[in-house]
Amino acid sequence: RKEVEQDPGPFNVPEGATVAFNCTYSNSASQSFFWYRQDCRKEPKLLMSVYSSGNEDGRFTAQLNRASQYISLLIRDSKLSDSATYLCVVNLNTGGFKTIFGAGTRLFVKA
Amino acid sequence: GAVVSQHPSWVICKSGTSVKIECRSLDFQATTMFWYRQFPKQSLMLMATSNEGSKATYEQGVEKDKFLINHASLTLSTLTVTSAHPEDSSFYICSARDWGRGGMVGSYEQYFGPGTRLTVT
Repeated sequence: RKEVEQDPGPFNVPEGATVAFNCTYSNSASQSFFWYRQDCRKEPKLLMSVYSSGNEDGRFTAQLNRASQYISLLIRDSKLSDSATYLCVVNLNTGGFKTIFGAGTRLFVKA
Repeated sequence: GAVVSQHPSWVICKSGTSVKIECRSLDFQATTMFWYRQFPKQSLMLMATSNEGSKATYEQGVEKDKFLINHASLTLSTLTVTSAHPEDSSFYICSARDWGRGGMVGSYEQYFGPGTRLTVT
């Protein structure tokens, strides 16, 4: 089983749609959680950190459920510019810090 | 915000040659940098953790004699792909954590370099 698993995608949605990404992690030593966005042939860029209390940044809402080891990202009113690959990222502390990336979910937003 | 640069951004080389990639933290000191590799349509895979002033820590399956890492200063780490072959063609990305910022240890985000696309012919 992969340490971080994401929806395989791709997701094809029209502009204005609401889209949800799901992610699960298997290691209980996971300490911190992030969503990154990666455009084609570019480096990943931090979209937002994910907190247990849930957090929102404009059209983006992230949630964490530690009991279920589940992370989500919700994008409302999707724009063409939201088209990218969304990576679920987990930091582990197992005697040393290690970052595990999910395989990513590709999103295509169409006019 | 923190910036990490990489050089070169794109390189084509012949099989058997060596290629050096530089990773620099521009406005912070990075005692630890990370080297990742990403093949098309796959996620980033950590290759090694580069520690300033000491030997790098390599992930299982990554040949340390093939991927030489040198972290000679607090702002520079280099990755040298020795005797490159076509199967080494990939997108190599470095990252660094800015430990100097406040916050819970383990919660630091990573700052990624723009990546180096290596093509070995």
